[in-house]
Amino acid sequence: EAGVAQSPRYKIIEKRQSVAFWCNPISGHATLYWYQQILGQGPKLLIQFQNNGVVDDSQLPKDRFSAERLKGVDSTLKIQPAKLEDSAVYLCASSLTGLGGYTFGSGTRLTVV
Amino acid sequence: SQKIEQNSEALNIQEGKTATLTCNYTNYSPAYLQWYRQDPGRGPVFLLLIRENEKEKRKERLKVTFDTTLKQSLFHITASQPADSATYLCALDPWGGSQGNLIFGKGTKLSVKP
Repeated sequence: EAGVAQSPRYKIIEKRQSVAFWCNPISGHATLYWYQQILGQGPKLLIQFQNNGVVDDSQLPKDRFSAERLKGVDSTLKIQPAKLEDSAVYLCASSLTGLGGYTFGSGTRLTVV
Repeated sequence: SQKIEQNSEALNIQEGKTATLTCNYTNYSPAYLQWYRQDPGRGPVFLLLIRENEKEKRKERLKVTFDTTLKQSLFHITASQPADSATYLCALDPWGGSQGNLIFGKGTKLSVKP
């Protein structure tokens, strides 16, 4: 079984620029999550999708972050404009039902300078 | 306020000993709790899930306990090996099983010395 694919692996941008991350979950997994992990911290949920609908985006900074999951499969997370404090690893995860263990991708390490 | 705490940032033990990691939470009533392993530069890997009505769960050398009265989970690795060195994250569902997302602790970095 293929894992959760994320790209790019690394990204360095200047503050106020925009950036987009892509995620392809495990085939058949209805639930998809984006988490932000700042160095030394645990992952923090940004948004949860069930198929192509949003279940929870209460911690997504909506003035600068947006996410979509078209056709209930791939997802993109965008930041526009980026701030220095957005430097983190952005993890995508998927789950068959949302009530069991997650499968995480390797993440995208974002550095904002 | 709601908190999930892993009481040690780092734990160093000798190979062959049992490692015990602690996860405490306040002001949550989770339906289940999960443990993950994270290696540097990688995403977390799911290890075990334990439900609120289960006292203990085992998988090979791993054992998890869940005490909803103490609001605590203990994660044990028996006969530890240097390959067990990693950061271990505890996570719980903040919605009592209704929504299916997780809140993570900061993690405990385990180092097993040969």
